Amino acid sequence: DAKTTQPNSMESNEEEPVHLPCNHSTISGTDYIHWYRQLPSQGPEYVIHGLTSNVNNRMASLAIAEDRKSSTLILHRATLRDAAVYYCILPQFYNQGGKLIFGQGTELSVKP
Amino acid sequence: SAVISQKPSRDICQRGTSLTIQCQVDSQVTMMFWYRQQPGQSLTLIATANQGSEATYESGFVIDKFPISRPNLTFSTLTVSNMSPEDSSIYLCSVALDRYTEAFFGQGTRLTVV
Repeated sequence: DAKTTQPNSMESNEEEPVHLPCNHSTISGTDYIHWYRQLPSQGPEYVIHGLTSNVNNRMASLAIAEDRKSSTLILHRATLRDAAVYYCILPQFYNQGGKLIFGQGTELSVKP
Repeated sequence: SAVISQKPSRDICQRGTSLTIQCQVDSQVTMMFWYRQQPGQSLTLIATANQGSEATYESGFVIDKFPISRPNLTFSTLTVSNMSPEDSSIYLCSVALDRYTEAFFGQGTRLTVV
């Protein structure tokens, strides 16, 4: 299983950008990089995913290193609602379904 | 996309009893997954619920303790058997359709064993 490494915690100020790093040095050529977050007292929710190119959506941007051994989730303007645990995951897909192995994630706190 | 409903949302149970958690998906999916989240911890995969065959359990989890049923492509149950206080956790159901789309999670069942 491809493993990911993330810092345990990060702090940000409200309305400032946040860069959440993830290392995945054992990634294979077909592994997608997924990011999920878990808000307090909720189930995880999808944030973004990508394979090789940088990706943007309404929630965040994902910057993937050229060698794909690391990636960075970018929240362009953090809000208090973005305080959550962020998980970088390389899902294992087979037989039309995928299982996610969660690491400890990065707990992001946002200061007003 | 997929919308997942879990029941119950929370329960307080006596030790030695069993609780069955239901997971309903609004579309047909090949595989569903059950996770456990112990207090202050990350999610741990319990098993993959396969329709028409026995569930596939991860290391450290056994069928006698966590029997899983999957009668069709939209529904699954997880039973936590012979509960002890160490089983107090949040149990979550999830589906992930393919590598091109996101996984979806239920809101979880918060179980407290007293």
